[in-house]
Amino acid sequence: DGGITQSPKYLFRKEGQNVTLSCEQNLNHDAMYWYRQDPGQGLRLIYYSQIVNDFQKGDIAEGYSVSREKKESFPLTVTSAQKNPTAFYLCASSIRGLQGSNQPQHFGDGTRLSIL
Amino acid sequence: AQTVTQSQPEMSVQEAETVTLSCTYDTSESNYYLFWYKQPPSRQMILVIRQEAYKQQNATENRFSVNFQKAAKSFSLKISDSQLGDTAMYFCAFMKSGAGSYQLTFGKGTKLSVIP
Repeated sequence: DGGITQSPKYLFRKEGQNVTLSCEQNLNHDAMYWYRQDPGQGLRLIYYSQIVNDFQKGDIAEGYSVSREKKESFPLTVTSAQKNPTAFYLCASSIRGLQGSNQPQHFGDGTRLSIL
Repeated sequence: AQTVTQSQPEMSVQEAETVTLSCTYDTSESNYYLFWYKQPPSRQMILVIRQEAYKQQNATENRFSVNFQKAAKSFSLKISDSQLGDTAMYFCAFMKSGAGSYQLTFGKGTKLSVIP
């Protein structure tokens, strides 16, 4: 079955430590996205990538980094510069539709990151 | 920039009854997409329904339908014959149309509880 796999489901970070969240999709989607969700908030875009080896900052990119070396994979690193990383992180992907517009995004199951 | 407002933080409905969730948005764009996503306790984001702004006909998907009022910038979701499995957070989201469009702007969500 095609889908988006995020791992791990739960992750703990120590002070000053970088951690990487994995996102893999086998939907052959061109575009991939990372969102952060805080309690009582909607989702906020961290980074997105529309093609391999290219990515763009979203609304809250500070303290995060990404790479897109393969179409299937879009890992997110939460760096020590992100002072409030505790949140639920969702990865999504979408195909490129007609006229280059992106189609509805499909989401993974998420990773919950907490500070030790 | 676009904004999406969901004015009902929480709602409840009796099983088998009908409930309507409200969403308003603000944009200067003429072409765009609107979505309703459902996030059950499992935290996975599931696409419920989508509407293209250029279509006057309201979208329907089984028990889910929307009331799209473009002039009023309103996009409400009606759930008919509510089921226990409909208990979830519901997010309204906006996306510009056109080449390179990528970003979903989310509202803060409405928590819906279906009561047996």
